[in-house]
Amino acid sequence: DAKTTQPNSMESNEEEPVHLPCNHSTISGTDYIHWYRQLPSQGPEYVIHGLTSNVNNRMASLAIAEDRKSSTLILHRATLRDAAVYYCILSPGGGADGLTFGKGTHLIIQP
Amino acid sequence: KAGVTQTPRYLIKTRGQQVTLSCSPISGHRSVSWYQQTPGQGLQFLFEYFSETQRNKGNFPGRFSGRQFSNSRSEMNVSTLELGDSALYLCASSLDPGSAGNTIYFGEGSWLTVV
Repeated sequence: DAKTTQPNSMESNEEEPVHLPCNHSTISGTDYIHWYRQLPSQGPEYVIHGLTSNVNNRMASLAIAEDRKSSTLILHRATLRDAAVYYCILSPGGGADGLTFGKGTHLIIQP
Repeated sequence: KAGVTQTPRYLIKTRGQQVTLSCSPISGHRSVSWYQQTPGQGLQFLFEYFSETQRNKGNFPGRFSGRQFSNSRSEMNVSTLELGDSALYLCASSLDPGSAGNTIYFGEGSWLTVV
């Protein structure tokens, strides 16, 4: 069973920031939060991951709540190429093997 | 460096046949995992290999099997194919699944159609 909850879909405009929420109320102290995205007809692509502190990379930012029961993936300036299904996943003990994928959030970007 | 490579990309098989899919991980990665993706069930974990040993296995029947070679390349096999086995089969590799923050990288997948 997926241990995260995400909205089924979200819509945003091109060149605007996008905030994708994820709830993980049963997260354990050693669970890492991973985000992947999947473009049509492609395999999932790693976006970002974190444990407790907020994280930034060239693709996105990850904001983790202080109690770690939720997190938000932030795309600072969405482009049409960011239209994809975004998955928020918990990885037990840090190792990303045997991941449980939920339905993810289908992000629609309007030009 | 080259990403995860899966072959073949597309294939069509008949019910009852068997199929073997191949995966070459990113150079230096020792862990390979396999996933099945269908419209109805989404992405589901099949199994994971590390140093030629199966470490984890998902909830799939014994018709689904895999192996890993000494060069970390992996194959998965599905015997006695059923129509419901039609899916995108994804391979992912990682450096060390036991390490904190380990990230897996997926290939493009192999599209299997069973007729």
